[in-house]
Amino acid sequence: QQQVKQSPQSLIVQKGGISIINCAYENTAFDYFPWYQQFPGKGPALLIAIRPDVSEKKEGRFTISFNKSAKQFSLHIMDSQPGDSATYFCAASKGNTGGFKTIFGAGTRLFVKA
Amino acid sequence: EPEVTQTPSHQVTQMGQEVILRCVPISNHLYFYWYRQILGQKVEFLVSFYNNEISEKSEIFDDQFSVERPDGSNFTLKIRSTKLEDSAMYFCASSEGARGYGYTFGSGTRLTVV
Repeated sequence: QQQVKQSPQSLIVQKGGISIINCAYENTAFDYFPWYQQFPGKGPALLIAIRPDVSEKKEGRFTISFNKSAKQFSLHIMDSQPGDSATYFCAASKGNTGGFKTIFGAGTRLFVKA
Repeated sequence: EPEVTQTPSHQVTQMGQEVILRCVPISNHLYFYWYRQILGQKVEFLVSFYNNEISEKSEIFDDQFSVERPDGSNFTLKIRSTKLEDSAMYFCASSEGARGYGYTFGSGTRLTVV
């Protein structure tokens, strides 16, 4: 019930194309769904996040689509650029007074071809 | 932009030795975390820390591990009697709030147990 399933494992997209990464969760108590971007040798960096009362959130070229009934959410990267090549992790968390444990998906390695 | 600082960036230790990984979280953050990432795999939760005590820990975080906030700025992870399978990237993170906030991760400490 604590799992977050992410697909695909790897993705190759042409420059200017749309990258789509999908995630699914089981625990309906999760109330915060962030996406992290990780470059080699660096820690994950928060990219964009959504709460379950919203179906879509857009920040620049990055959009999260959220389907609460299906317990699925996805990241869309529009006009993908070579600089977007990184590993992307979806995640889910449930807040509590002592902080919140975040469950990460297995990650998607994105490569954008120039 | 505020950063989470981790030292050292790389630590090599003999099996059975103790190591201390150090972190300086963002100064106005109240919640602190350790995660680990075995090479190429998902980011795994170890422990969350708030108000000078552990608020949650995973099954990975057994008696071999301990955390401490020895002063107002540092947050440390101690691993006693290291094993080969402890080799991983260890990430410290901090967050401003307990609900609906992303983490700021440090760049990690690569621990190699030989």
